Amino acid sequence: EAGVTQSPTHLIKTRGQQATLRCSPISGHTSVYWYQQALGLGLQFLLWYDEGEERNRGNFPPRFSGRQFPNYSSELNVNALELEDSALYLCASTDKMTGGADGYTFGSGTRLTVV
Amino acid sequence: AQSVTQLGSHVSVSEGALVLLRCNYSSSVPPYLFWYVQYPNQGLQLLLKYTSAATLVKGINGFEAEFKKSETSFHLTKPSAHMSDAAEYFCAVSRGGYSSASKIIFGSGTRLSIRP
Repeated sequence: EAGVTQSPTHLIKTRGQQATLRCSPISGHTSVYWYQQALGLGLQFLLWYDEGEERNRGNFPPRFSGRQFPNYSSELNVNALELEDSALYLCASTDKMTGGADGYTFGSGTRLTVV
Repeated sequence: AQSVTQLGSHVSVSEGALVLLRCNYSSSVPPYLFWYVQYPNQGLQLLLKYTSAATLVKGINGFEAEFKKSETSFHLTKPSAHMSDAAEYFCAVSRGGYSSASKIIFGSGTRLSIRP
């Protein structure tokens, strides 16, 4: 069974540009979570999507947005990139029917570097 | 609300020594508890989980954790450290269910270093 896949692995952008990150969940998982892991700041919750809807967002500005497609894959968009957006962005999926008891399955992440 | 506190941002042990990574949680309901490991430039991998069955939980790579309700703790241990155990470890808690309040809350992480 394929795990959570993220693309691209690395992304280098210039300040002010837009970045698009992609995530495909495990087959059968409808919930997708996005986290930002900046150096020294731990895992910061960004967004939660389920059944195509945004269910919850963390304390991030509106320039962080995303969507979930009918096949449950998801896209994270970061507009007007700033240097401090440089981080590892992690996507995770889970089967909501288990009520969170199984934990999340994480992808390997996208390393975004803003120069 | 749930929260997790990991005591010690960095732990260093000698190869072959006991590994002990501490985690305390706060939860208003019986929690689900997890330990994840992250190797450099990789995602998080689930080590083990507690879901109200046995209080002593065995995970992968020889790790185990004990749920102690009276101490609100879920410490991670391994009897004998290997060089390959060097990584970042995250403790996490969830209340379960399906709501914005049920998402997993992660601790700040503990970096484990192994001395030869």
